[in-house]
Amino acid sequence: DTEVTQTPKHLVMGMTNKKSLKCEQHMGHRAMYWYKQKAKKPPELMFVYSYEKLSINESVPSRFSPECPNSSLLNLHLHALQPEDSALYLCASSHDLTGTSYEQYFGPGTRLTVT
Amino acid sequence: GENVEQHPSTLSVQEGDSAVIKCTYSDSASNYFPWYKQELGKGPQLIIDIRSNVGEKKDQRIAVTLNKTAKHFSLHITETQPEDSAVYFCAASLGLYNFNKFYFGSGTKLNVKP
Repeated sequence: DTEVTQTPKHLVMGMTNKKSLKCEQHMGHRAMYWYKQKAKKPPELMFVYSYEKLSINESVPSRFSPECPNSSLLNLHLHALQPEDSALYLCASSHDLTGTSYEQYFGPGTRLTVT
Repeated sequence: GENVEQHPSTLSVQEGDSAVIKCTYSDSASNYFPWYKQELGKGPQLIIDIRSNVGEKKDQRIAVTLNKTAKHFSLHITETQPEDSAVYFCAASLGLYNFNKFYFGSGTKLNVKP
């Protein structure tokens, strides 16, 4: 089973709201990723977690705050977003960052609209 | 950093024909090359990948070839079917030397006409 689940599927939020995106995997993977994807563009890496610790932050604005509470869960907390943050937010996971297994498995994404 | 270019941006083929999508990369240290298929409204799905120590890999109707010297790799789909219609992304990675960061190509929209 290579399933990564994400909730919610769709989210509409105002610029003053606080919301969270959730991602879950039960493959025993120890590396998890957040990507942002705009229409007709490839995914752009935002954050990488390895063994629940943040390994990469691709200079993402602080209005996006990631959290990895345990090895199966990854959250993305959103606050004071801008309309240009509207996009598909994808979560992915891979075995880990210390072995030789590089495959990343993506979830279905959360379609975020900021009004 | 690594730069991946992908061509063509759109590809239209008749059902049953073959489709080829090409990618080039710039960093000779890249050692892992996955291909993803993304259908409308869905997340990218890993369809095939290749490591730098392998020249070709096949899985039923899809195959990937890698030319390390020329720094390019290609996706080949034979006997295309309408359900192959999607956007395809190639990627290159330095693997664990760079936290498994993927550098994606710009995508190819494949349309298979019945």
